[in-house]
Amino acid sequence: QKEVEQDPGPLSVPEGAIVSLNCTYSNSAFQYFMWYRQYSRKGPELLMYTYSSGNKEDGRFTAQVDKSSKYISLFIRDSQPSDSATYLCAMTIAMDSSYKLIFGSGTRLLVRP
Amino acid sequence: EPEVTQTPSHQVTQMGQEVILRCVPISNHLYFYWYRQILGQKVEFLVSFYNNEISEKSEIFDDQFSVERPDGSNFTLKIRSTKLEDSAMYFCASSRLGGTGRESPLHFGNGTRLTVT
Repeated sequence: QKEVEQDPGPLSVPEGAIVSLNCTYSNSAFQYFMWYRQYSRKGPELLMYTYSSGNKEDGRFTAQVDKSSKYISLFIRDSQPSDSATYLCAMTIAMDSSYKLIFGSGTRLLVRP
Repeated sequence: EPEVTQTPSHQVTQMGQEVILRCVPISNHLYFYWYRQILGQKVEFLVSFYNNEISEKSEIFDDQFSVERPDGSNFTLKIRSTKLEDSAMYFCASSRLGGTGRESPLHFGNGTRLTVT
């Protein structure tokens, strides 16, 4: 079983729709959960990060973590064409003196005008 | 907003040649990382660096790879003898703190696309 699973999409929605992006994971040692947005030929850009189970909201974005089910979600309200990108979930695992991110494969989102 | 910068944006090299990829992390960050993304695949951890030494490395980071912080601002990744399968996007990242990442997430540069022919 892969450590982090993410549906690659593509996911195509009309402008204004609510988007739901999801990841599942298998490793209980993951501590922090992040969502990155990656535009074509650009580096991952941090959108949200959370630690505990529950919801965290930032503008149009809501990150949700359910540690008991090993499931995380990112919701985008009132989606815009500029939200079209690949969304990567990522989870941290502690190493001796730092941590590393384990990424999902990314979901490609297209918001149609 | 401060950002991680990487140069060059695209590097083409022949198999067997050495390449050096350069990064300028965010100035008050202390932890530095290299990640790699082969086309169509996941972003993968290569190495982390703190206090002028490697703190962790993945199985990908073999003897062909090395990292260095030659001065107070640059952080480099050297591939000694490139192979075709080294073709990928290489991302540099930095964070203010290490530990478990709380309040100190990774910030990524825009990457260097390495093409080995």
